[in-house]
Amino acid sequence: AKTTQPISMDSYEGQEVNITCSHNNIATNDYITWYQQFPSQGPRFIIQGYKTKVTNEVASLFIPADRKSSTLSLPRVSLSDTAVYYCLVGANTGFQKLVFGTGTRLLVSP
Amino acid sequence: NAGVTQTPKFQVLKTGQSMTLQCAQDMNHEYMSWYRQDPGMGLRLIHYSVGAGITDQGEVPNGYNVSRSTTEDFPLRLLSAAPSQTSVYFCASSYGIGGATGANVLTFGAGSRLTVL
Repeated sequence: AKTTQPISMDSYEGQEVNITCSHNNIATNDYITWYQQFPSQGPRFIIQGYKTKVTNEVASLFIPADRKSSTLSLPRVSLSDTAVYYCLVGANTGFQKLVFGTGTRLLVSP
Repeated sequence: NAGVTQTPKFQVLKTGQSMTLQCAQDMNHEYMSWYRQDPGMGLRLIHYSVGAGITDQGEVPNGYNVSRSTTEDFPLRLLSAAPSQTSVYFCASSYGIGGATGANVLTFGAGSRLTVL
C-alpha cells in the first residue's frame, strides 16, 4: 500500500516524538511495520502492528480502528534517535513487493 | 549467525562495465530483495524473490538481473553500468509465509556503495 509521511521533524532531547504515516488504501491482510535508518547503515526493524496499540522496549505503535493511518511514538528521545524513519505497509505473506515510502527525517537537538 | 552479508562494501566501475553484488543470508529466510538508495532519498525496490528459483521485478528493475539458485544467496547483476546506477545498494531478507515473524520484518545488510564513472 502507498504510504505518506512528513518529510522531516525536529525535536529536543527528552521530548516524546510522534510520527504519523497515512495509508488510506490499506488492505485487510496488511500489517504496518516501522524501520529506523542511521546514515551509512541499512534500515533496522523497530515495531510492527495490525490494529490498536503495540509497545516494545523501543517504541509504541498506535493504529486507529479504520487502520488508515498509524503513529510511531518514541518516548523521551535522545540525540541517538536522530535518523530516518520509514513505515511499510503490506501483507505478511511474503508474496508481494515491499515498497517503502520516502520516510521521515527526525532531527533531535540538545 | 551473520545475518545478511553483502559484498563488496565499495566498488568503482567505469561506464559499460558489468559486475555482481553478492548477498548471502544464514537465517533460512525465504524472501529476499534488493533496494537502491540514492543520496538523501528513500529505498526503491529493484528485484525480489519469494524462494529459490522464483524472482520478480520491483519498482526500478531496468539494468539489473537477479537469480536465486539457493535459499541463501541472491546476487544482483549490473549488465552494463551507467552513471545513473551510482547508489547504495541494500539487500534484505525475511521469513515468508508461515515464518516465526512476518515477511514485512526485513533484516538488511550493511549496504554496497557503487560509483559508476
